[in-house]
Amino acid sequence: DTGVSQNPRHKITKRGQNVTFRCDPISEHNRLYWYRQTLGQGPEFLTYFQNEAQLEKSRLLSDRFSAERPKGSFSTLEIQRTEQGDSAMYLCASTLLQPNTEAFFGQGTRLTVV
Amino acid sequence: AQTVTQSQPEMSVQEAETVTLSCTYDTSESNYYLFWYKQPPSRQMILVIRQEAYKQQNATENRFSVNFQKAAKSFSLKISDSQLGDTAMYFCAFVKMGNQFYFGTGTSLTVIP
Repeated sequence: DTGVSQNPRHKITKRGQNVTFRCDPISEHNRLYWYRQTLGQGPEFLTYFQNEAQLEKSRLLSDRFSAERPKGSFSTLEIQRTEQGDSAMYLCASTLLQPNTEAFFGQGTRLTVV
Repeated sequence: AQTVTQSQPEMSVQEAETVTLSCTYDTSESNYYLFWYKQPPSRQMILVIRQEAYKQQNATENRFSVNFQKAAKSFSLKISDSQLGDTAMYFCAFVKMGNQFYFGTGTSLTVIP
């Protein structure tokens, strides 16, 4: 296992289109997180899963955003009817259950909405 | 809600010198964990160092050490003998038991040759 993998690395889409990103965590990691990062800012929490259960979702998250982790392995993040304000880097991270464990991050998917 | 504040948007340091990055946080929790992550340009974030709040001893990892002041809710990162490869964004992060990571806005560190 070479770490957290995210696909695609870059996505350019027209406003109003739907996009879906995929994250493959480290295989033995139970927790999976999605974050959004804009230029010059820290990662902003979107949602996280423990196995297949979505345990928390940011109140700031629009209803246009949905995430799944159907079998407790990979996860997808879908954005419907994209807006220019959705342009950002979308980061995925995974961890073990122990609370002091580090989060391993993927390289992110950079979304540009034109 | 937990908040993490990094008050230094940008810093620079001469190669081989020492630099300290500041971080403060706000929480009502007593058990939690603190991390410093490094994000090199166009590369993924990697862990630099971690600290458990119940441990009084400051964590150290080679050239990296922290000054953890629990009462003051302060968690600064000291980088000794700075190297060119230390140039990156540095994020302070807080996590409580079984919950999400909260990140600061980051400090952009440039090591000058």
